[in-house]
Amino acid sequence: DAGVIQSPRHEVTEMGQEVTLRCKPISGHDYLFWYRQTMMRGLELLIYFNNNVPIDDSGMPEDRFSAKMPNASFSTLKIQPSEPRDSAVYFCASSTLADSSTDTQYFGPGTRLTVL
Amino acid sequence: GIQVEQSPPDLILQEGANSTLRCNFSDSVNNLQWFHQNPWGQLINLFYIPSGTKQNGRLSATTVATERYSLLYISSSQTTDSGVYFCAVRGGTSYGKLTFGQGTILTVHP
Repeated sequence: DAGVIQSPRHEVTEMGQEVTLRCKPISGHDYLFWYRQTMMRGLELLIYFNNNVPIDDSGMPEDRFSAKMPNASFSTLKIQPSEPRDSAVYFCASSTLADSSTDTQYFGPGTRLTVL
Repeated sequence: GIQVEQSPPDLILQEGANSTLRCNFSDSVNNLQWFHQNPWGQLINLFYIPSGTKQNGRLSATTVATERYSLLYISSSQTTDSGVYFCAVRGGTSYGKLTFGQGTILTVHP
């Protein structure tokens, strides 16, 4: 399997612009997670989906952030409008409970976002 | 929510040395994972270990769930072991959110 795929790998944008991050989970995984990593706050969960349905979005910082999962193989995280404090590395991860012996979340390579 | 503390925050070793990283957590867990974040930022799964002991080559891990801690052992360290090691846990009986510790920054010198 190709693993979790994220795009773009790097994004530089100006304050106020819309940013869309994309994720393709591992085939067959029914859970998808979006995390954000910053120096100040470390790694924190933003939102996660189960079978394409958002389950917990309590980590989404504010209304400027939104996430969708239109099908089992694709998810987006959108920031509109973007602000400099959104600069971070955004990770997507996926997992499945189908094999309870390996309840492991697998992470994508991340998208490094810089908002000027 | 559940709290995760890792120690030490930083560790500097000479190649060939052994090390032990610790992860303490504040409540019972149903998931505990160790990750290595390499210098390119990639998060690599090392172990899924909510309890018991596992070994993979030079790395091994032990979780004592009743005492709420986990240990990651690195033997005969190599420069490629450098990076940040994270412990992540999920508390309670629900599925989903992993809570990450702040990590241990490991630097292995040749």
